Amino acid sequence: GAGVSQSPRYKVAKRGQDVALRCDPISGHVSLFWYQQALGQGPEFLTYFQNEAQLDKSGLPSDRFFAERPEGSVSTLKIQRTQQEDSAVYLCASSPHRTEGTDTQYFGPGTRLTVL
Amino acid sequence: KQEVTQIPAALSVPEGENLVLNCSFTDSAIYNLQWFRQDPGKGLTSLLLIQSSQREQTSGRLNASLDKSSGRSTLYIAASQPGDSATYLCAPHFSGGYNKLIFGAGTRLAVHP
Repeated sequence: GAGVSQSPRYKVAKRGQDVALRCDPISGHVSLFWYQQALGQGPEFLTYFQNEAQLDKSGLPSDRFFAERPEGSVSTLKIQRTQQEDSAVYLCASSPHRTEGTDTQYFGPGTRLTVL
Repeated sequence: KQEVTQIPAALSVPEGENLVLNCSFTDSAIYNLQWFRQDPGKGLTSLLLIQSSQREQTSGRLNASLDKSSGRSTLYIAASQPGDSATYLCAPHFSGGYNKLIFGAGTRLAVHP
């Protein structure tokens, strides 16, 4: 079946612009995660949704970052007034959430954001 | 603070060698631990998931072990091939974290013919 998809795959923004990154999780997956991966580093957690509820947003680096999943499927990560330090790969992952602690997370290909 | 460390940071070996990648984590209260592979410009592919109650997990030429009490996991790759070249990431799922994963910085592996 189809995996996690993300769009766009690449985004170049001028400093100060707003951007929106989209994630389509695997159909039926309850849990959805956003991670940020800087060059040469492992991914860092940003936020977590269980269906449409955002249960953990502790990793969002500033109030310029906002995520939503209004119908419990597709999610959008929005970054307002982008800064150069926002340049990174943004990864989305989903999991079935059958039981806490047993799920494999399935990752999308990521969106590479470059802020000039 | 929950932290994950991977050693070595990079590894270059000739084809056919058996490899050991190390992962250590600061908090032994974990549900499970996943090993991922990441190819350049690509997302993450899950290789193995070890539950906290397990000591090891095997898939083909890959074997992952877990010693929760000492905060260590090892990924063993047998008979390495050039197609194994990638970055390998370790990610424990710490208890109480809503399933979020904490990643190490990874081990960049290059296997040359």
